Amino acid sequence: GQQVMQIPQYQHVQEGEDFTTYCNSSTTLSNIQWYKQRPGGHPVFLIQLVKSGEVKKQKRLTFQFGEAKKNSSLHITATQTTDVGTYFCAGPSNSGYALNFGKGTSLLVTP
Amino acid sequence: ETGVTQSPTHLIKTRGQQVTLRCSSQSGHNTVSWYQQALGQGPQFIFQYYREEENGRGNFPPRFSGLQFPNYSSELNVNALELDDSALYLCASSWRNEQFFGPGTRLTVL
Repeated sequence: GQQVMQIPQYQHVQEGEDFTTYCNSSTTLSNIQWYKQRPGGHPVFLIQLVKSGEVKKQKRLTFQFGEAKKNSSLHITATQTTDVGTYFCAGPSNSGYALNFGKGTSLLVTP
Repeated sequence: ETGVTQSPTHLIKTRGQQVTLRCSSQSGHNTVSWYQQALGQGPQFIFQYYREEENGRGNFPPRFSGLQFPNYSSELNVNALELDDSALYLCASSWRNEQFFGPGTRLTVL
């Protein structure tokens, strides 16, 4: 079945440093979504990418969808302590009913 | 806040017991999905309900069952609880492709 993999599993940065997490799917995706989960919280939708090669920005966050629509990345410029959390990518399952989530990248930012 | 609510927030059960978790979806959302999130893992799809019918199911045994009501609220029932059922259970209501997650129910099975 379809698998979504994320690397790295953990990342510890100093405040102000950049951060990137990568997501790879075993199959071509119709779209990819990114979620953020704060410690003790629930996943919160960040963005959806649909087009091949699409790049979207939200303030310090830059999201990319690969040309083959099998990979994606999230880059955070100049991290802040408020960026702490786990970032998940998710792609629709083959059936279309479900989202297949990666295991997430946990980001720790120290001041 | 997403407008999706879940109850209870925390629950402790023992092996073999049964549990019912509840979810009220965001107004106007007629599709509800349930996910299980084990510690350190991403959410795993359990099943989805659309207009009171099960619309799709993940790789979970039949002791995981659900209901959706006419007001689109939903229940997740788990029978014969096992230790590995300890997890955060999330419900999400859908609008187009975006999933709005509730705060979750933390279930501990002893």
